[in-house]
Amino acid sequence: DIQMTQSPSSLSASVGDRVTITCRASQNISKYLNWFQHKPGKAPNLLIYTGSNLQGGVPSRFSGSGSGTDFTLTISTLQPEDFAFYYCQHTYDVPWSFGQGTKVEIK
Amino acid sequence: EVQVMESGGGLVQPGRSLRLSCTTSGFTFGDYAMSWVRQPPGKGLEWVGFIRSKTYGGAAEYAASVQGRFTISRDDSKSIAYLQMSSLKIEDTAFYYCIRTSRGSSWREYSFDYWGQGTLVTVSS
Repeated sequence: DIQMTQSPSSLSASVGDRVTITCRASQNISKYLNWFQHKPGKAPNLLIYTGSNLQGGVPSRFSGSGSGTDFTLTISTLQPEDFAFYYCQHTYDVPWSFGQGTKVEIK
Repeated sequence: EVQVMESGGGLVQPGRSLRLSCTTSGFTFGDYAMSWVRQPPGKGLEWVGFIRSKTYGGAAEYAASVQGRFTISRDDSKSIAYLQMSSLKIEDTAFYYCIRTSRGSSWREYSFDYWGQGTLVTVSS
């Protein structure tokens, strides 16, 4: 089974900062990596699909990159509404799996 | 407007069964796969399983932690997906989310594009 490891597990940042979250797969997953934002009490929201494609309605400050085993989610200019949990997830082969999550907190 | 809504959660004793329903509207249900993801209290997201659209065979796949105990099915005539859970364990306690799952050009390319609000399943004696 493919394991997904995110780093960091949490980070503190200020509004306006550039934030980068990384996700590493235990084996090559090509481009089949999605990113989600999750706020407590709400449904998770798809941000990026297939590595680098911005989901419709998602602000352009979010971007994804990478292929193979190493992937990155970048928030170019952190906004107040971006404080949340972020998860990566692969669909390369079943069983699909998520990273353990990254909590983005206000500094 | 795409809508996805789970129902059927509640308190259940260990070893018993429970069926969750996922009622949808606003899209052609039969054209999409449907997935289930859960989140235990205070923990991260865990993939439970998914069912393909009948166009791609309609088979379901499961996480090892639920294989043999959970069954995902679909009724395309009613636009409803189901998660039948049996032999429930305390560690199955979680919020359960149903998700519309879009397939891309490759059989590996899936994305969870519309999520329900979740339903809480508590397994306790």
